[in-house]
Amino acid sequence: QAVVTQEPSLTVSPGGTVTLTCDSSTEPVTRGHYPCWFQQKPGQAPRTLIYETTNKHSWTPARFSGSLLGGRAALTLSGAQPEDEAEYFCLLSYGATWVFGGGTKLTVL
Amino acid sequence: QVQMVQPGTEVKKPGASVKVSCKASGYTFTSYGISWVRQAPGQGLEWLGWMSVYSGDTKYAQKFQGRITMTTDTSSNTAYMEVRNLRSDDTAIYYCARARGGHFSGDSYFYHAVDVWGQGTTVIVSS
Repeated sequence: QAVVTQEPSLTVSPGGTVTLTCDSSTEPVTRGHYPCWFQQKPGQAPRTLIYETTNKHSWTPARFSGSLLGGRAALTLSGAQPEDEAEYFCLLSYGATWVFGGGTKLTVL
Repeated sequence: QVQMVQPGTEVKKPGASVKVSCKASGYTFTSYGISWVRQAPGQGLEWLGWMSVYSGDTKYAQKFQGRITMTTDTSSNTAYMEVRNLRSDDTAIYYCARARGGHFSGDSYFYHAVDVWGQGTTVIVSS
């Protein structure tokens, strides 16, 4: 089974920009992995931010965007807000099977 | 609005089974799938599997094959996941989420995304 790797932790200044990445152990990440991104705050259920690489839900703040970057899926936060401090998980599909990344703990400081 | 409602807590002994429910509302239940994800204390998210409500097709993570079963009751818009032969390391929050978006591979349809999550059911396995 593939292993999906994310940065364990990142820090961004308020108003700053940060990019989180999601890497696959078996092959470069492509749109065919249908990357998704989730935000989870302590004590809460995850919330879906991005699906199918770049698509946002109605509740996704405009400052979040998804992309592919150098064979990885990427989540970019432009103009970080204090409320963006959370853990972020990516999800990749391998045919019918899904694999989550280990998560990135994002600090806004 | 779309909601996925799960009960709060289940406490089970090792070797027992648990059947977690997930009641959906605010949409046509048979038009989407259901996925189940768990999160052990202090850990990340772990995908357990998904189920097509319409066709009944299921796909389970290899690690859990033979130990979990996903079902739905379309009369009550409720999804269930049963985990058998519980161990202490099954202690976790179990989330359901509405599965949407999929792709065809040959004649099979595979989900690849979720949108709305339930609030989770805490399953504690302890003697």
